[in-house]
Amino acid sequence: ELKVEQNPLFLSMQEGKNYTIYCNYSTTSDRLYWYRQDPGKSLESLFVLLSNGAVKQEGRLMASLDTKARLSTLHITAAVHDLSATYFCAVDMGWAGGTSYGKLTFGQGTILTVHP
Amino acid sequence: EAGVAQSPRYKIIEKRQSVAFWCNPISGHATLYWYQQILGQGPKLLIQFQNNGVVDDSQLPKDRFSAERLKGVDSTLKIQPAKLEDSAVYLCASSRGAESEQFFGPGTRLTVL
Repeated sequence: ELKVEQNPLFLSMQEGKNYTIYCNYSTTSDRLYWYRQDPGKSLESLFVLLSNGAVKQEGRLMASLDTKARLSTLHITAAVHDLSATYFCAVDMGWAGGTSYGKLTFGQGTILTVHP
Repeated sequence: EAGVAQSPRYKIIEKRQSVAFWCNPISGHATLYWYQQILGQGPKLLIQFQNNGVVDDSQLPKDRFSAERLKGVDSTLKIQPAKLEDSAVYLCASSRGAESEQFFGPGTRLTVL
């Protein structure tokens, strides 16, 4: 059974600081997604990582994937208040994991709060 | 392009009652998903459709939950009878195909009293 673990689960940051959220998963996979969820809202797609060594950046967020280490990171640079939200990683085992695509397994989520 | 539509947005029922949720995916998206998100947790996949066929329903509690996508477009998810532990947000998502990025709807927040 695929297990996806995020850490930290809670992150309180000051504006302007940098930090990294980690996503570890237990089974071979070849694609990983990062989502953002604001309170009471649905999930917004941030990044799709499809291969080992993939790195994607959008604004102050950068995501990377290391399939050999079964690890993805979401790095936040110079945090601003607008980044306050819950961030989820989700792993799709796909054919690499011996199943079909589409069955996402989500981590517990990281609640990020950015303070002035 | 219009996003994934869901209704109702909120529903409050008593335990042992029945409830149904509706989802209209993004036009042209062949794959549709229903997720359950309990407060404080990540979404859990309940069922995945490819057109009008079920691809995966291994995590659907089939004794009380059912879902259909008869014409390969809209979908309904039903709970009958509801239990207290079914209180959650039910999210519908769609994608062009199973290998494509999933887009989520606004969700239906269910409270079972």
